[in-house]
Amino acid sequence: KAGVTQTPRYLIKTRGQQVTLSCSPISGHRSVSWYQQTPGQGLQFLFEYFSETQRNKGNFPGRFSGRQFSNSRSEMNVSTLELGDSALYLCASFRSQGAPDTQYFGPGTRLTVL
Amino acid sequence: AQKVTQAQTEISVVEKEDVTLDCVYETRDTTYYLFWYKQPPSGELVFLIRRNSFDEQNEISGRYSWNFQKSTSSFNFTITASQVVDSAVYFCALEGQIQGAQKLVFGQGTRLTINP
Repeated sequence: KAGVTQTPRYLIKTRGQQVTLSCSPISGHRSVSWYQQTPGQGLQFLFEYFSETQRNKGNFPGRFSGRQFSNSRSEMNVSTLELGDSALYLCASFRSQGAPDTQYFGPGTRLTVL
Repeated sequence: AQKVTQAQTEISVVEKEDVTLDCVYETRDTTYYLFWYKQPPSGELVFLIRRNSFDEQNEISGRYSWNFQKSTSSFNFTITASQVVDSAVYFCALEGQIQGAQKLVFGQGTRLTINP
């Protein structure tokens, strides 16, 4: 079974631009969550989606948004990029059937903002 | 609030030594789940183990073992006879349910270096 895939793997943007990252979950997984990893703040939860609905959101500004499609694929968008948005963005997928399920992570998208 | 503390920022040992990574957590939930993930230089978080709060049995998987003690809110991870391939950053994480949604709270990670 294929794992979680994320595209692109690397991105370089300049301040003020916007960026869209994509995540394809493991087949059969209906939930996707996003995390930001930086050297200073570590791994921080961004948001979680299930059946095209955002169920939970972390403490990030409104510039960070996401969505999930009917095939469970998810995208996250960051508008008006700031230098501090440089990070590894990790996506995870899980089945979400009742009891909390293990989240399996993709390889991440490394975003550099210049 | 939930919190995970990994006090050891970096550990460096020689190959074949045993090494224990510490994890202490805080939560008010009665039902919760604990995880360990490994992050090699490639960046992907690799799932190692999941343990629920009602199961305090220790677990062994090959050279890996985990010690869960609710009395001390700890979930420590031991690698026996370490190998160079074990070099990575290891994260302990805690998860509870919030109205059906899932959210992992991670510790800061422990960078483990195994020297040949």
